[in-house]
Amino acid sequence: DQQVKQNSPSLSVQEGRISILNCDYTNSMFDYFLWYKKYPAEGPTFLISISSIKDKNEDGRFTVFLNKSAKHLSLHIVPSQPGDSAVYFCAASSMNRDDKIIFGKGTRLHILP
Amino acid sequence: GAVVSQHPSWVICKSGTSVKIECRSLDFQATTMFWYRQFPKQSLMLMATSNEGSKATYEQGVEKDKFLINHASLTLSTLTVTSAHPEDSSFYICSASGGGATGELFFGEGSRLTVL
Repeated sequence: DQQVKQNSPSLSVQEGRISILNCDYTNSMFDYFLWYKKYPAEGPTFLISISSIKDKNEDGRFTVFLNKSAKHLSLHIVPSQPGDSAVYFCAASSMNRDDKIIFGKGTRLHILP
Repeated sequence: GAVVSQHPSWVICKSGTSVKIECRSLDFQATTMFWYRQFPKQSLMLMATSNEGSKATYEQGVEKDKFLINHASLTLSTLTVTSAHPEDSSFYICSASGGGATGELFFGEGSRLTVL
């Protein structure tokens, strides 16, 4: 059973608009969440993270929102740029238990010109 | 959906021994596999990229002779931690790509290595 779910395999957004990527998790022990970005033929690179003590973390154009009661997090990219076209992976872990990261299956974001 | 399996999921070994971790793509052919090590705060460090039938490309600072990577077939890559020491204790995670322009990547569930 998937513990981290990204239900949208792909998403297309117009350049300049807001991109919203969603992620749901099932394990209530998760307390640390990360987003990774991956270009074709490259390994994923870390983008942004959030601890469960927060509900929002912002870094430039990227903001991650966490709704613990709904076990849901989202990544907002605004404004979207052509270079944002990539696959985005949501990941979760339990820092207190020093546990491994669990990844979602990814969402492909395509920024339209 | 595509599945990547890692084995073993956890292993405990004595200092000085070697440990092999397998990464298998179960329902697709993985032209490229990546190996990562998980560090505190759950950050991932890319260790190496392996392409089927060729030598792995190691990231700077990763010892090739210590972390041996073999990608002998399109469905299997192995990471061997040679002469393991306690500081090698970590989670090791693999991911596999089917190649092409799609960039799809599938992660294994990770292998926890504890070196005593």
